[in-house]
Amino acid sequence: RKEVEQDPGPFNVPEGATVAFNCTYSNSASQSFFWYRQDCRKEPKLLMSVYSSGNEDGRFTAQLNRASQYISLLIRDSKLSDSATYLCVVNSPGRRALTFGSGTRLQVQP
Amino acid sequence: IAGITQAPTSQILAAGRRMTLRCTQDMRHNAMYWYRQDLGLGLRLIHYSNTAGTTGKGEVPDGYSVSRANTDDFPLTLASAVPSQTSVYFCASSDRPNGLGVSYNEQFFGPGTRLTVL
Repeated sequence: RKEVEQDPGPFNVPEGATVAFNCTYSNSASQSFFWYRQDCRKEPKLLMSVYSSGNEDGRFTAQLNRASQYISLLIRDSKLSDSATYLCVVNSPGRRALTFGSGTRLQVQP
Repeated sequence: IAGITQAPTSQILAAGRRMTLRCTQDMRHNAMYWYRQDLGLGLRLIHYSNTAGTTGKGEVPDGYSVSRANTDDFPLTLASAVPSQTSVYFCASSDRPNGLGVSYNEQFFGPGTRLTVL
């Protein structure tokens, strides 16, 4: 089983739609969680960290469910510019590394 | 320089040749990393360095070597390239190393090097 699993998509949604991505992780000792965004043929960039209490940044909301070991990202009022691949990232202390999911691709259509 | 730079941007290489991918950061970050990204597999850690003078192996280190002579530079060398090393290579850095009890540690990535080994 992969340490971090994501639905690869693509998720094709119209502008203005709300879309949610889930990600599951296997290491129950994981302590830090992030969502990164990667545009086509570009480097990944941090979108937001995921805190235990959940956190919101504008149209983006991240949630953590430790009991079920999953992380979610909700995007409201989707924009064309939200089209990208979203990477779920988990900091696994035992390995002293960040583990990246393979990404979920979002395509927002006019 | 602002952030992380990588060179070359892309390269086509004959199998068996030696190749060094360059990475330089100007943020005075302690930790640096090399990843490869392949379709369907996501980013996989090759080697890392928590501080100048130290390096460690990641998930897929075979066929690669690194050095960290100073804070700013972290070159990745393929001693004898093979076609399976065709990939996009990303260098990254963070202020502090991962897994040392910190709850937040953003990694900043360079623009990547597209390497094709024929």
